[in-house]
Amino acid sequence: DIVMTQSPDSLAVSLGERATINCKSSQSVLYSSNNKNYLAWYQQKPGQPPKLLIYWASTRESGVPDRFSGSGSGTDFTLTISSLQTEDVAVYYCQQYYSTLYTFGQGTKLEIK
Amino acid sequence: EVQLVESGGGLVQPGGSLRLSCAASGFTFSDHYMDWVRQAPGKGLEWVGRSKTGANSYATEYAASVIGRFTISRDDSKNSLYLQMNGLNTEDTAVYYCAREAGEWLDRHYYYYGMDVWGQGTTVTVSS
Repeated sequence: DIVMTQSPDSLAVSLGERATINCKSSQSVLYSSNNKNYLAWYQQKPGQPPKLLIYWASTRESGVPDRFSGSGSGTDFTLTISSLQTEDVAVYYCQQYYSTLYTFGQGTKLEIK
Repeated sequence: EVQLVESGGGLVQPGGSLRLSCAASGFTFSDHYMDWVRQAPGKGLEWVGRSKTGANSYATEYAASVIGRFTISRDDSKNSLYLQMNGLNTEDTAVYYCAREAGEWLDRHYYYYGMDVWGQGTTVTVSS
């Protein structure tokens, strides 16, 4: 299985400041035939199901605010929230779909400082 | 409105069985791969398995932790996905989510890129 490791496990950021979450895969999730990274990011708020934010490592899902951005390639990826809002308090997960046996990172809890 | 609604959760003794259902509406169910994802109390997300479409022979795939115990099936005529769970143990205690796999056509190929619609989940508790 591809192991996904996120850092940090938790993060506290001031309102309006930048938040950065990292995700590392145990093997490359870059598919050479189409040059796409098979990596998604989800947001999960308390008591709610996960919500797809970003796919192909950097494509925002429809309706996701543009303060959310994804970057990276191969084995190292980053989710950035450019200006933290109160509604962004949540746990964030990365997920690989390079292998058909999907795996998630352990999650990063984002709070307001 | 695109919607997934899970049902069938509850309390079951170790070694017991349970069948979860997921009712889909608002989209063409038969066109989509469908997945089950679970979340143990206070823990992260764990992918359980998927059901592919009829065009892909309704093939199923499973996480190693549930192979031989869990079976995923679907009934496209009822827009429903199922998860039959046998040989349950305390580690199977979790909220179970049904999710739709997202996909798109690129250069005449159809690519899946994650799960874009999720149900609210149903809780399974395995305890004596």
